[in-house]
Amino acid sequence: GAVVSQHPSWVICKSGTSVKIECRSLDFQATTMFWYRQFPKQSLMLMATSNEGSKATYEQGVEKDKFLINHASLTLSTLTVTSAHPEDSSFYICSATLPERGPTGEQYFGPGTRLTVT
Amino acid sequence: QKEVEQDPGPLSVPEGAIVSLNCTYSNSAFQYFMWYRQYSRKGPELLMYTYSSGNKEDGRFTAQVDKSSKYISLFIRDSQPSDSATYLCAIRLGAAGNKLTFGGGTRVLVKP
Repeated sequence: GAVVSQHPSWVICKSGTSVKIECRSLDFQATTMFWYRQFPKQSLMLMATSNEGSKATYEQGVEKDKFLINHASLTLSTLTVTSAHPEDSSFYICSATLPERGPTGEQYFGPGTRLTVT
Repeated sequence: QKEVEQDPGPLSVPEGAIVSLNCTYSNSAFQYFMWYRQYSRKGPELLMYTYSSGNKEDGRFTAQVDKSSKYISLFIRDSQPSDSATYLCAIRLGAAGNKLTFGGGTRVLVKP
């Protein structure tokens, strides 16, 4: 159990276009999902916390108008990178918690999406 | 000062050796401590999860937490080449919906 999927696994887009990344919890309902980005040989940087049915909470320095997050259901959250630029090229990873396990609530991660903006 | 400090490595060990990893943190309010393994271009995989000070063992993995020193460790016994990966410590305040604070990750290479 506790499987999180992401789609696509790799996407190449042209500068100025928008790209949408999906994150799904396959076998559980996730009230909270998180979006991270990771540059090569660096750790994960939290971008935003997403709760189903409400607006995402963005970390300081993350442009909410550029990185649109929609958590429309308990099993799906999407991240849309708008007007992408080469500096947005990165590895984007989502995670979801299992709150029904009580206060422990381990975070389970998706396999990541590699975005390349040309 | 970063909230969580972790030596980036790389840490190279021969197959069968014990791998010793650690992190230090600055905020004594952190309550939950995790270790993740990440292979190249993959999402992190949860290895160990601890709440209180002390040791927790799971197969070849042992996690230690010393809250008084704000120091956490992960030991991997009988290391295998398949253990070659980046290991990330992660720490969390309180409730399940709270965000994780990650260390920078330590790259481990187990040589056959």
